[in-house]
Amino acid sequence: QKEVEQDPGPLSVPEGAIVSLNCTYSNSAFQYFMWYRQYSRKGPELLMYTYSSGNKEDGRFTAQVDKSSKYISLFIRDSQPSDSATYLCAMSAVLSGGSNYKLTFGKGTLLTVNP
Amino acid sequence: NAGVTQTPKFRILKIGQSMTLQCAQDMNHNYMYWYRQDPGMGLKLIYYSVGAGITDKGEVPNGYNVSRSTTEDFPLRLELAAPSQTSVYFCASRSVQGRYEQYFGPGTRLTVT
Repeated sequence: QKEVEQDPGPLSVPEGAIVSLNCTYSNSAFQYFMWYRQYSRKGPELLMYTYSSGNKEDGRFTAQVDKSSKYISLFIRDSQPSDSATYLCAMSAVLSGGSNYKLTFGKGTLLTVNP
Repeated sequence: NAGVTQTPKFRILKIGQSMTLQCAQDMNHNYMYWYRQDPGMGLKLIYYSVGAGITDKGEVPNGYNVSRSTTEDFPLRLELAAPSQTSVYFCASRSVQGRYEQYFGPGTRLTVT
């Protein structure tokens, strides 16, 4: 089983739709969860950051973490054509000693929002 | 504050040639990383560094070398380019304190023919 699984899509939705993007993971030590957005021919940029379980909202974006199910989600409300991008989930464990240097990434989901 | 910068943006190499991909950051981050991204394959870690003078291998280090003589710079060296190294290369950095997110550069698109 891969450490992080993410459906690569592609996902195509009409403008204004609610989008749900998901990742599952196997390492129960993961505690920090991130979503990156990557536009075509650009570098990934951090979109959402959450620690442990729960929800975090930022404008039209909501990140959700369910550690009991090892499942994280990103919801986009009122999706816009400018949201068309690849979305990558990423996560990090906390090692004994309190630090870790690596992120484990999903392979990314390609989203297209059609006007 | 430019963040993470990478040069060149694009490069075409012939098989067997060598080149250095440059990466610099102005955020005083201790941790720096090199990834390659192939279509549908996500980001794969090549090398990383936790500070000047300290580097270590990631998942896919073969065919690459790195050095870290300053906090700001983390160049990636390809010694004998092979077609399998055709990819998009991203450099990233992270602060040793606080949150765990990495900041990425714009990438270098490399083709080896």
